Amino acid sequence: QSGLTQPPSASGTPGQRVTISCSGSILNIGSNSVNWYRHLPGTAPKLLIFSNNQRPSGVPDRFSGSKSGTSASLAISGLLSEDEADYYCAGWDDSLNGWVFGGGTKLTVL
Amino acid sequence: QVTLKESGPVLVKPTETLTLTCTVSGFSLSNVRMGVSWIRQPPGKALEWLANIFSNERKSYSTSLKTRLTISRDTSKSQVVLSLTKTDHVDTGTYYCARIREDHIDRYFDYWGQGTLVTVSS
Repeated sequence: QSGLTQPPSASGTPGQRVTISCSGSILNIGSNSVNWYRHLPGTAPKLLIFSNNQRPSGVPDRFSGSKSGTSASLAISGLLSEDEADYYCAGWDDSLNGWVFGGGTKLTVL
Repeated sequence: QVTLKESGPVLVKPTETLTLTCTVSGFSLSNVRMGVSWIRQPPGKALEWLANIFSNERKSYSTSLKTRLTISRDTSKSQVVLSLTKTDHVDTGTYYCARIREDHIDRYFDYWGQGTLVTVSS
């Protein structure tokens, strides 16, 4: 079952802007919206971005999402130490009739 | 307040059937444009979607696991149950249930449970 492709790691210093990429295919990202989740081990994953670029209530505007073709990206500006976590992209796949996740990107704040 | 809580065995022997329950509150399983998914995370690995059940009882399963998975719901108990047959050590991991929200053509998981850790071992 093919998933979405993310870099395994990303890093930045406090105050910096980092971006995390997510690559898929015409059957998932190319045809449906992308969502982003933040996950700390042992806790419930949290929805950060839905419908490619929408933030749920309570998510700071430091987090933004975009999509172009079969790729998407998550940008985090004004990096904080508390942003250290695993970040996952996900999208509906028309051929699977279900979701595919990226492999996750571990963000380190140096 | 929307909550989801997973429950089930902590330890399962190989070849046994694993049965997990997701008990929800703050919404009804028959709400239009909503559903529940099960997602798991093996230790040190990524999230993996397993199965869906929507408000109209439409179901779908992971292609690689569909012969072993069954998802069902009991709206009167606000519960969604996942069964995984013929378990193996590779099924060890944290199992999450999550609420699906459908907005027009978009679908996403807006609330997640805390997860339940299941170990498959003899």
